[in-house]
Amino acid sequence: ETGVTQSPTHLIKTRGQQVTLRCSSQSGHNTVSWYQQALGQGPQFIFQYYREEENGRGNFPPRFSGLQFPNYSSELNVNALELDDSALYLCASGRGFKTDTQYFGPGTRLTVL
Amino acid sequence: SQQGEEDPQALSIQEGENATMNCSYKTSINNLQWYRQNSGRGLVHLILIRSNEREKHSGRLRVTLDTSKKSSSLLITASRAADTASYFCAPTENSGGSNYKLTFGKGTLLTVNP
Repeated sequence: ETGVTQSPTHLIKTRGQQVTLRCSSQSGHNTVSWYQQALGQGPQFIFQYYREEENGRGNFPPRFSGLQFPNYSSELNVNALELDDSALYLCASGRGFKTDTQYFGPGTRLTVL
Repeated sequence: SQQGEEDPQALSIQEGENATMNCSYKTSINNLQWYRQNSGRGLVHLILIRSNEREKHSGRLRVTLDTSKKSSSLLITASRAADTASYFCAPTENSGGSNYKLTFGKGTLLTVNP
């Protein structure tokens, strides 16, 4: 177990709706990254937050947004859901923004109907 | 940023056998990491090898790195059914531009049959 938790475990939404996913980082970590993993693919980087500021972003549209809170927990918000947003969403925490070891949560499985 | 390419895409072996997975990448790296993912779950960090290291061990795992060939291999010895999972490599670039993120390929799906 990594100490990174995510909620909810599973979620079903319909196209056009909005969703918020939550992540609690491992103690002592000040960086959180979010990844999207479609079925049969590797995780794709969405964005990273470091000390409550977005530190970098992958190739995802602006309807994917995030927040990091002073206690380093984090949210991923997705607006105007599309069918292709169906995926496993993973958050990962770490110490600092450099890519040494990342500690992943168990993921949230989002299904968009 | 660069993406590691794992090979083979799938590997099926018997319990007790060794499993070898390979990773290739394109540009110079700062480090290379291996992760394991059990079906539909989060990734677990296995090992990190830095660009100035050639080999690293952790329990039944052995990772090698050949920067001249831009490749790495992960060897799991005396495999167990519990090693059944997908394995991903994540090479991290040497440049400062994008070394904040991990970039994954499609992984190697290892099946260990009892």
